[in-house]
Amino acid sequence: EAGVTQSPTHLIKTRGQQVTLRCSPISGHTSVYWYQQALGLGLQFLLWYDEGEERNRGNFPPRFSGRQFPNYSSELNVNALELEDSALYLCASSDGGQGFGELFFGEGSRLTVL
Amino acid sequence: AQSVTQLDSQVPVFEEAPVELRCNYSSSVSVYLFWYVQYPNQGLQLLLKYLSGSTLVKGINGFEAEFNKSQTSFHLRKPSVHISDTAEYFCAVIAGDSSYKLIFGSGTRLLVRP
Repeated sequence: EAGVTQSPTHLIKTRGQQVTLRCSPISGHTSVYWYQQALGLGLQFLLWYDEGEERNRGNFPPRFSGRQFPNYSSELNVNALELEDSALYLCASSDGGQGFGELFFGEGSRLTVL
Repeated sequence: AQSVTQLDSQVPVFEEAPVELRCNYSSSVSVYLFWYVQYPNQGLQLLLKYLSGSTLVKGINGFEAEFNKSQTSFHLRKPSVHISDTAEYFCAVIAGDSSYKLIFGSGTRLLVRP
């Protein structure tokens, strides 16, 4: 069974540009979560999608946005990139039922903003 | 709002020695507690979780944790560590207030030396 997959694995952007990160959850999982892991700051919760709806949002500016598609895959969009957006962006999925609280993580997309 | 504090950013220990990684949480409602591990260049993986019942929880790779409500702690322990346990360990909490949002601590880097 395939795990959570994320693309791209690495990317470099310059300030002011826009980026789209993609995530495919484990088959059968309906919830997708996005976290930002910046150096020295641990994991910061970004967004939670379930059944195509945004369920919760972390303390990030509106230029961070996303969506979940009918096949439960998800995109994270970041507009007007700033240097401090450089981080590892982790996507996770869960089935929300029996596996309460157990998130399955992808290996992340490492974004560098120059 | 709930939060998680991991008191040690890095814990060096010799191989075969015991280790304890500390985690304290704050929440005004009931909580669910988790420990995740992140090996180098990988996503996070669930080690163990406390949802209810016995306060001593056993996880994978010989790790265990004890939920202490009076001290609001959920410390992770292993009686004898291996070189392969070198990784970043994250404590996380979900508050029982229907947010179902997993909040992570800042992480503790366990460095096992031969």
